[in-house]
Formats: sequence, structure tokens, C-alpha cells
Amino acid sequence: DGGITQSPKYLFRKEGQNVTLSCEQNLNHDAMYWYRQDPGQGLRLIYYSQIVNDFQKGDIAEGYSVSREKKESFPLTVTSAQKNPTAFYLCASSTGEKNIQYFGAGTRLSVL
Amino acid sequence: GNSVTQMEGPVTLSEEAFLTINCTYTATGYPSLFWYVQYPGEGLQLLLKATKADDKGSNKGFEATYRKETTSFHLEKGSVQVSDSAVYFCALSSYGGSQGNLIFGKGTKLSVKP
Repeated sequence: DGGITQSPKYLFRKEGQNVTLSCEQNLNHDAMYWYRQDPGQGLRLIYYSQIVNDFQKGDIAEGYSVSREKKESFPLTVTSAQKNPTAFYLCASSTGEKNIQYFGAGTRLSVL
Repeated sequence: GNSVTQMEGPVTLSEEAFLTINCTYTATGYPSLFWYVQYPGEGLQLLLKATKADDKGSNKGFEATYRKETTSFHLEKGSVQVSDSAVYFCALSSYGGSQGNLIFGKGTKLSVKP
């Protein structure tokens, strides 16, 4: 089945630690996105990539980094510079047509 | 800039009640409009879409009409079920711009009681 796989489902970060969230898609989509969701808030865009080896900052990129070495994969690293990382992180991909985005099941990150 | 405003929740209804969740938008050009649904602990699923004025999107008994004159895209369902309990997000895509990204409202939580 085609889809977007995010792992792990739950992740815990210690103080000063970098953690990486995985996002893999087998939909052959060119564009991929990372969003952050906080309780009672909408989704806020962290980073996006329209093509391999290229990515752009979204609205809240500070404290995060990404890479796009393969079309299928768009990992997100939450660095120690992100002082409030506790949130639900969602990855999405799109063909670009009408910008319909398809989402993974999310990763919930908490701080120990 | 582009923005989406949707009614605040939570919304609590009895089974078989009529549902309306209001959504209005501000955008330049001619955006596409979407409703996404998020069930507890899951990612977002596309519920319906409309890509031009007067289009009606529909799916699973839900409907929304793209009203350019009132810049609205209200979600409606004639008879809700307990299984419709979820958070609903209105979103727009103004892909005439450089980013072509989705802009989301804050979401409306719906609880349906048996």
C-alpha cells in the first residue's frame, strides 16, 4: 500500500540532545513537508522541500534542520536549540497538483 | 497575507443532529480550499476540496461550497454519527505564490454523543 510512514510514534528527548524524526513516502511525490501541531493550534509549517536536494524554511524553522537526499525520505532533526520541542509532528507529501497533501500518522515528541 | 479563520470549538452534538462548522478565508488570487479531518492520535486525512468559486466538495455525507462573494467554505453534514467525532481543519492553498503551501485554521473539535 502506498503511503507516508513516520517513525517513531513516540519519542523522548533529554536536555541538550538532538533527535531525528523519520518520514518516508512511497507515493512518488516530489514535495514533502514538516508541520508542528500544538494543543488547540492549527498546523505550523517548519520546513518543506519541493525537490530532492532542495528545501526551504517555513514559518517556525528555528531550532530544526532537515535533509532531502532521496525523493522518498525527508528526516527532521529537532536540535538542542529548540527550547520548547514538546509537540505532535506531522509529515506530509504532495504531487503538487492543487497542492493536495497527504499526511503520515505523526510523531509525538516529549521532553524528559 | 493569506489566512483561515474557523469557528472555535468544541462543538458537541447529539447523534443525527445537523452540523455546520464555519470557515472564512483571506487570500489573494484564487485559492483552492480544503477540509481535513484528524481522528484522535492520528494524522490528517483529506475530507473534501474545492478548487474554484461555486464548486461543491463532498465526501462521506459532508459538503462544503466555495463562496467567493463571502470568502467562505463552511462544512455541513445533515446527520452526524458518533464516528464523526474528530478535529476538523479548514485550509487553503494559494499556489500562485512561491511556496504553494497549505495554510490551516486552528481546528474545530467535534464531539458527537449517542
